[in-house]
Amino acid sequence: QVQLVDSGGGLVRPGGSLRLSCVASGFNFSDSSMTWIRQSPGKGLESISFINRNGSIKSYADSVKGRFTISRDNTKNSLYLQINRLTAEDTALYYCVSGRARHDSWGQGTLVTVSS
Amino acid sequence: QSVLTQPPSVSAAPAQKVTISCSGSRSNIGNNFVSWYRQFPGTAPKLLIYDNNKRPSGIPDRFSASRSDTSATLGITGLQPGDEADYYCGTWDNSLNIGVFGGGTRLTVL
Repeated sequence: QVQLVDSGGGLVRPGGSLRLSCVASGFNFSDSSMTWIRQSPGKGLESISFINRNGSIKSYADSVKGRFTISRDNTKNSLYLQINRLTAEDTALYYCVSGRARHDSWGQGTLVTVSS
Repeated sequence: QSVLTQPPSVSAAPAQKVTISCSGSRSNIGNNFVSWYRQFPGTAPKLLIYDNNKRPSGIPDRFSASRSDTSATLGITGLQPGDEADYYCGTWDNSLNIGVFGGGTRLTVL
């Protein structure tokens, strides 16, 4: 069955960096565009970054532009999110999801906590 | 503040029907398909509706949806206590060039 496994989250100080990863299985990863979505504690969903099937098209929400970088390795069925210059407002559960705007499959989420 | 606008909460009695609205603009709902998601506490959201009104396999026909101009609506009939959850609408925004969501609607089954 389709599975997305997120990892890489943790506690980081303001200004710090993390690299989130997502490993996909059960579907043809290289045929699927992918998105990172985050959810702050008690809040709603926010799409923060999108990448197309071959990685040639990337987009970012204004809230993370210039600080976050999305990438993928289709040979490893993996999606990544490099997050830099973290602030408290970046504290959230980060989900790896399939698709551009129709999200059939979701990872379990990886928690990023920014605190001194 | 979310790009799409949903009511924060709705409620109805068991067996009744409820609708949840989602309002956007021409750059998002007006020119793109709408999806709906359900999220139970502590779990990842799940796709309920895609392409405005289509149900993935396994989603009962108690769930329906429609889109008109720059708004969308989710309908749930035959409400059950197990339908209590947060519901989100989502679509692509051509101006922002990223996906957008509503702020979510908490459904309470009285």
